[in-house]
Amino acid sequence: QVQLQESGPGLVKPSETLSLSCGVSNFSINNGFYWAWIRQPPGEGLEWIGSLYRSGTSYYSPSLKSRLTISIDTTRNQFSLNLDSVTAADTAVYYCAGAVAGADHYYYMDVWGKGTSVTVSS
Amino acid sequence: DIVMTQSPLSLPVTPGEPASISCRSSQSLLHRNGHKYVDWYVQRPGQSPQVLIYLASNRASGVPDRFSGSGSGTDFTLKISRVEAEDVGVYYCMQTVETPYSFGQGTKLEIK
Repeated sequence: QVQLQESGPGLVKPSETLSLSCGVSNFSINNGFYWAWIRQPPGEGLEWIGSLYRSGTSYYSPSLKSRLTISIDTTRNQFSLNLDSVTAADTAVYYCAGAVAGADHYYYMDVWGKGTSVTVSS
Repeated sequence: DIVMTQSPLSLPVTPGEPASISCRSSQSLLHRNGHKYVDWYVQRPGQSPQVLIYLASNRASGVPDRFSGSGSGTDFTLKISRVEAEDVGVYYCMQTVETPYSFGQGTKLEIK
C-alpha cells in the first residue's frame, strides 16, 4: 500500500530554514491528486500548512505563506517543505499526507506519514 | 478564513453507549456542486490522523458502520452508535471548501 515517510532534522536554530522531505513509496507521486503538510504543536491540535495539487497549483496557509515553499521532486518521488526564519512557534510534529485514492470524485487525505518532531531552539 | 468550532472538547463515554460530536463552521461548507466539504479525522493515541468521513456523510473505506456523519451547511455531527475501547482518540473536523483549509480544535473521546 502507499506509504509516506518524513525525513529531516529534529532540531533547527531560530532564524534558520526548516527543510523536510516526504518520501512516497509504492505509488508514483505524479498520480496523487494532492500532497500536503500538516503540523501539530505540542499538546495542540492539527494545523493545515499547505497543499500541492497535481495540476501544479499550490495553496499555503496565509500565516506561513511569506516563509513557506512546498515543492515536488518527481525524480526522487518525494515532496518537500521549506520554512524560512523559524521561531519557537514553529516547534511541532510535522506530518505529510496525500490524497491518492479518493471517492465520489472527491479527494481527501487518505495516506499519512508517521510524523516527524521538529524543535526550534538554539 | 473559515473557523471550525467543535463541541464538546472532552467526551467521556461508557463502552456500548453512543457518542456525538458537533462541528460548526463560520461559513457554509456547501459547495456549488451540492456536496458539503467537511471531513472527519481521528487521531488515536500515538498515531497519525486517519480519515473517517468525507463529504460530511460518507464513510471512508474500511471505517466501521458504527460511525456516521451528517449535517447542513454550517452544522455537522459525527456520531458513533456504540463506542468501543478502540475509539479512544481525538476527533477533528476539517473543511476543504476553500483555502486555507482548517481543522476544528479537536474532541478528545475517552472511555469511562
